[in-house]
Amino acid sequence: QPFLSQPPSASASLGASVTLTCTLSSGYSNYKVDWYQQRPGKGPRFVMRVGTGGIVGSKGDGIPDRFSVLGSGLNRFLTIKNLQPEDECDYYCGADHGGVSNFVAVFGAGTKLTVL
Amino acid sequence: QVQLEESGGGVVQPGRSLRLSCAASGFDFDEYAMYWVRQTPGKGLEWVATISNHEVNIYYGDSVRGRFTVSRDNSRGILYLEMNDLRGEDTAVYYCARAMRDSSGFFCDFWGQGTLVTVSS
Repeated sequence: QPFLSQPPSASASLGASVTLTCTLSSGYSNYKVDWYQQRPGKGPRFVMRVGTGGIVGSKGDGIPDRFSVLGSGLNRFLTIKNLQPEDECDYYCGADHGGVSNFVAVFGAGTKLTVL
Repeated sequence: QVQLEESGGGVVQPGRSLRLSCAASGFDFDEYAMYWVRQTPGKGLEWVATISNHEVNIYYGDSVRGRFTVSRDNSRGILYLEMNDLRGEDTAVYYCARAMRDSSGFFCDFWGQGTLVTVSS
């Protein structure tokens, strides 16, 4: 099954841009990854799915245009432009693996985004 | 709108059992697979279980397989998680999530607010 690696923290200034990275383990370069946003005390919120070709499907409910994704090799990127105070929270990536007989879902450890 | 509301959490002694519920509304419950995902306080997300829309396919994470059972009542729009032989490491906030399926697999497009389970003597 794939392992998803995320840096524990990231920061950028109010109004600036930041790119968060989720790295798949070797051998899973064709996998798509889902980005989730989690504000303090709340359940996660689906942001969007990303593959090597970029976004797959639609953004999550209410996700602003400031959020975009790219994929390259083993890396799946979430970029947030014009950072706002409400963007300061945790971001997780997730993926699933296997077929009918051996399904498993995995999440990265999350990145805590600080808006300076 | 889609709503998921977990309930049933609380403080339970090690070795005891607890059943969580997730009441779904705002969508056709029987058309969607569902997930349980947990989060240890201050830590990341851990997948617990997935159940297909008519319970044909059910999957569990390694840490709960054999102790937890996921089920659903499509007539009432409720997802369940029966947790047996609870351990301290099961202490977490438990979330239910609706699973959308596309050609690449599942993703969780809506989540509940979670219910806290504390396993402690």
